[in-house]
Amino acid sequence: KQEVTQIPAALSVPEGENLVLNCSFTDSAIYNLQWFRQDPGKGLTSLLLIQSSQREQTSGRLNASLDKSSGRSTLYIAASQPGDSATYLCAVRPSSGTYKYIFGTGTRLKVLA
Amino acid sequence: ETGVTQSPTHLIKTRGQQVTLRCSSQSGHNTVSWYQQALGQGPQFIFQYYREEENGRGNFPPRFSGLQFPNYSSELNVNALELDDSALYLCASSRDDDTQYFGPGTRLTVL
Repeated sequence: KQEVTQIPAALSVPEGENLVLNCSFTDSAIYNLQWFRQDPGKGLTSLLLIQSSQREQTSGRLNASLDKSSGRSTLYIAASQPGDSATYLCAVRPSSGTYKYIFGTGTRLKVLA
Repeated sequence: ETGVTQSPTHLIKTRGQQVTLRCSSQSGHNTVSWYQQALGQGPQFIFQYYREEENGRGNFPPRFSGLQFPNYSSELNVNALELDDSALYLCASSRDDDTQYFGPGTRLTVL
């Protein structure tokens, strides 16, 4: 059974710092992995999607990597800003079965001005 | 191209009641998935509909049911509400196997 874990559960950093969020999953048979941002009480905003054949994806100050064999992904945020404060969720789509995502419990990020 | 919309935004019900949540898919999308997100947790997959047929179900009891209409909009129905059903309910739509797009969610509170 696929399980997704995110560490740390919460993180507080000063503005301008570079930071790394971690995601691990137990079954390497994935179709893709996606990182989402969620503001309090709101829906999900897709940040980066990495296909199983890819090693990383970049968008602006965000870079996500994928190591399928070790069951790990990282989300790197460069030069963090107070506007980056949110919960970041990692989700994997299994390579077989119903098209669905299995989510981690998220990392709650606070960037201090 | 319109995005995924959900209604209502917020809803308060009492234990034992029934509730219907609605999702309007993005234009051209024929697949809808529903997720439940309890406070402090990641979303959990409830079920998926593809061309009006249920196409997979997560670990939720039968009192969670759904419908997809010919225009591919969808409903999530929950009977005999329990306190633990309080959550944010998210729907996501896609065209076949392509990228899923999530709606803003409906916040359900059960008292």
